[in-house]
Amino acid sequence: DSGVTQTPKHLITATGQRVTLRCSPRSGDLSVYWYQQSLDQGLQFLIQYYNGEERAKGNILERFSAQQFPDLHSELNLSSLELGDSALYFCASSVEEGRGGNTIYFGEGSWLTVV
Amino acid sequence: DAKTTQPPSMDCAEGRAANLPCNHSTISGNEYVYWYRQIHSQGPQYIIHGLKNNETNEMASLIITEDRKSSTLILPHATLRDTAVYYCIVRVAQVYSGGGADGLTFGKGTHLIIQP
Repeated sequence: DSGVTQTPKHLITATGQRVTLRCSPRSGDLSVYWYQQSLDQGLQFLIQYYNGEERAKGNILERFSAQQFPDLHSELNLSSLELGDSALYFCASSVEEGRGGNTIYFGEGSWLTVV
Repeated sequence: DAKTTQPPSMDCAEGRAANLPCNHSTISGNEYVYWYRQIHSQGPQYIIHGLKNNETNEMASLIITEDRKSSTLILPHATLRDTAVYYCIVRVAQVYSGGGADGLTFGKGTHLIIQP
């Protein structure tokens, strides 16, 4: 158990809909990362937050957005869903930003299926 | 970030040591070498990391060559539960505020299959 909690574990929704994925980082971790893993793309970095502020964006679509709240939990919002958005979405956390020696720990992921 | 090269797949007999190689010939002096593994559709699991020196923990050992251009992850006594995709990643040691992501860039990794 990494200490990173993601909900829901599984989600099935229709095209065009909107969903919210939730992440609670490990206790004491200020930095949160979101990743997407689809069959053909591997693990892709989406976005990073540190202590409530956006730090960096990766391959995140404009239809997707995220935020980190004062209690440090984070939400990833996916809207106007398409079949190709079906994937595993992972949240990860680390103690600080900017220090490569701080380990990043991953949650177990949220399976999103768009039908 | 520097890129890594790993063999796409490897086999190892159960109970033997599994040695997973990784080339990172363009690594910079301030970049760490990280190893993660992913057991089918589970979250990536941290294994070990190092900067210059060899490292050992309860899961594995990491051997980094003196020129830092390659490394080897060693699982000393592989079990069937070690079957997974293993990722070797280089990660910058310090990103200054607003300087960009300090996360992990995953490649395709090595699919390690432990044979009974």
